[in-house]
Amino acid sequence: GQQVMQIPQYQHVQEGEDFTTYCNSSTTLSNIQWYKQRPGGHPVFLIQLVKSGEVKKQKRLTFQFGEAKKNSSLHITATQTTDVGTYFCAGVPRGNFNKFYFGSGTKLNVKP
Amino acid sequence: GAVVSQHPSWVICKSGTSVKIECRSLDFQATTMFWYRQFPKQSLMLMATSNEGSKATYEQGVEKDKFLINHASLTLSTLTVTSAHPEDSSFYICSARGQGAEKLFFGSGTQLSVL
Repeated sequence: GQQVMQIPQYQHVQEGEDFTTYCNSSTTLSNIQWYKQRPGGHPVFLIQLVKSGEVKKQKRLTFQFGEAKKNSSLHITATQTTDVGTYFCAGVPRGNFNKFYFGSGTKLNVKP
Repeated sequence: GAVVSQHPSWVICKSGTSVKIECRSLDFQATTMFWYRQFPKQSLMLMATSNEGSKATYEQGVEKDKFLINHASLTLSTLTVTSAHPEDSSFYICSARGQGAEKLFFGSGTQLSVL
C-alpha cells in the first residue's frame, strides 16, 4: 500500500546549526505538504509543493520536491529554539486528492 | 485563519462504554473531514475520510463498526468509539478541508484513556 517514509526520526542540533528532514514515497505523488506540530499542539500547515523539481522558501526554511515527485525535503538554515517541534510531510497520491499519507515525522530539538 | 474545534480535549471512560468526539469547522465549510489516530512519538495514522452527507471511507484495518463516523453537516463531524477497550486508548485528531482548498486544518486532538 501507499507509504511515505520520513527520516530521521529525531534530530538534536545546537542553535545555529542547519537541519534537514527527508520524505520518500513508494509511489508518485500529486503533491506533498509539510506540517509542523509544536509540543502539545496540533499540526499546522507550512507549505504545499506541486511541481516536479519545485523549490520553495519561507525565510530560513527551504522545501524541495523531487523530479520524480516521489521525494521531498525540508531544510532549515541556522535553527532557532522556535523551530522546535515535529515536522511531518504528507503525500497526496495521484488520482485521489482526499488521501493524505503522513510520514512518521522528524522531531527536532534545538539546544540554545 | 481557519479554525477547527475538537471536543473534548481529553476523556477517561470505563471499558465497554462509548465515547463521542466532535470536530467542528468554525469559520468555513468543511466538505471533507479526516480522522487520525496518533500514538506517542508516532505519526498520524489516517483512520477514515468523511464527506458531508455521505458514508465515511475507512482505511484498511480500521473497524467501521467500532469507529462510527458521522458528517451530517458542512461544519460538524463526529467520531464515536463504541464499546471502548484499553487498546483504544490513544490521541485522536481530526482535520478538515474546504471545497477546493489545498491545506488541512487540524483540531487540537482528543486524548482518550480507557480504563
